[in-house]
Parts: sequence; C-alpha cells; structure tokens
Amino acid sequence: KQEVTQIPAALSVPEGENLVLNCSFTDSAIYNLQWFRQDPGKGLTSLLLIQSSQREQTSGRLNASLDKSSGRSTLYIAASQPGDSATYLCAVYPGAQKLVFGQGTRLTINP
Amino acid sequence: DAGVIQSPRHEVTEMGQEVTLRCKPISGHNSLFWYRQTMMRGLELLIYFNNNVPIDDSGMPEDRFSAKMPNASFSTLKIQPSEPRDSAVYFCASSFGGAGANVLTFGAGSRLTVL
Repeated sequence: KQEVTQIPAALSVPEGENLVLNCSFTDSAIYNLQWFRQDPGKGLTSLLLIQSSQREQTSGRLNASLDKSSGRSTLYIAASQPGDSATYLCAVYPGAQKLVFGQGTRLTINP
Repeated sequence: DAGVIQSPRHEVTEMGQEVTLRCKPISGHNSLFWYRQTMMRGLELLIYFNNNVPIDDSGMPEDRFSAKMPNASFSTLKIQPSEPRDSAVYFCASSFGGAGANVLTFGAGSRLTVL
C-alpha cells in the first residue's frame, strides 16, 4: 500500500530564506507526483506536477525534484515571502485515478 | 472560468438529518472527484466519476453516503442520516483525463459540522 510522508509537519522561517520541503513515498511505482498548496479555509491549488520520467519542474520561485528510486521529492522555495505561508501537500499517483496524499507541511514565513 | 464551485460553504446540522453537498466542475473537465479532509485522516478520496459515470466508490465510508452526477456540470454528495463523525471538509475536484494525467483543480470545500 502506497504511503506518503511529509516531514516536518510544521516549519517556521524568517522572510527571505530559501527552504526545502520533503516528501517521501513507499512505492516507487508511480506515474507522477504533484505538489499542492492549501491556504486556511480554502481548497487545494496545484503548484507543480512532475511526470515519472522527469527529474524536476520549475515554476517561478518554486522548484520540485523527483527521485523515484529513493522514493523522495523535494519542493524548494527560493527567497520566501510571507505570502508563501500555507500548508503544502504532496501527492503521488500510483494509478487507478487515486492520488495518495501526504499529511502536509504547515509553513509559516515570518516578516 | 470560475473554477470548481461548491455549495454550501458551511453546513451545520443535527445528527440524523440529511445533508446534500453540491458541486459544479470546470466546464470541459470529464473527471470529477469527491474528497473528505479531516485532521486525523487527511485527504481521503470518496468517489470519482468519469464522463458522469461512477468509476470507483470504494472510498465511500458506508451506505449512508451516496453520490450522483446527472450531467457533466453537476454532482451531489448526500449523507443520510448524518452522524457527528461525518464532520469534515468535503472537497470536489475536477480534471480533464483523470487525476493522474493532468492537474487536479479543487473547489473551496464544504465544511460540515454534525452536532
């Protein structure tokens, strides 16, 4: 059974720092991995989708990497801003239309 | 596009009452998903539809839950009778081609409280 783990559960850093969020999954047989952002009281917003054949994807200050063999993905946020404060979730797609989500990392950027 | 639209945003009801949650997916999307989010269990897939047909409802907790998609622009999730343990945020999401192939777009959610 595929399990997705995100550590730490919460992270607080000062504005301007570069940071890395971690995601690990137990079964390397995935088609892709997605990173989402969730603001309090809101739905999830897709940030990046990495296909299994890709090693990384970039969007603005965000860079996501994927290492299938080790079952890991990282989300790198450059020059963090208070507006980046949110919960970040990763989800793997093992097939059969079922995304498997991690519990998320709650990120706080302090001005 | 206004995105995935869910209603109501908040619902407070008493145990035993019927609850109906509604979802309008993004026009042109052919896959629709209902998720439930709680602190304890995180995000759980309840059911998904492809081209208005329920494909997998194995995540539906029990017979008290039912979902329908009468057309491409509307879906409902019904709980009857509701119980306090059903309290959660229910999300609807849609995509073109399925959850894995393409980006999934979520609605803002319906927060359900069962007293």
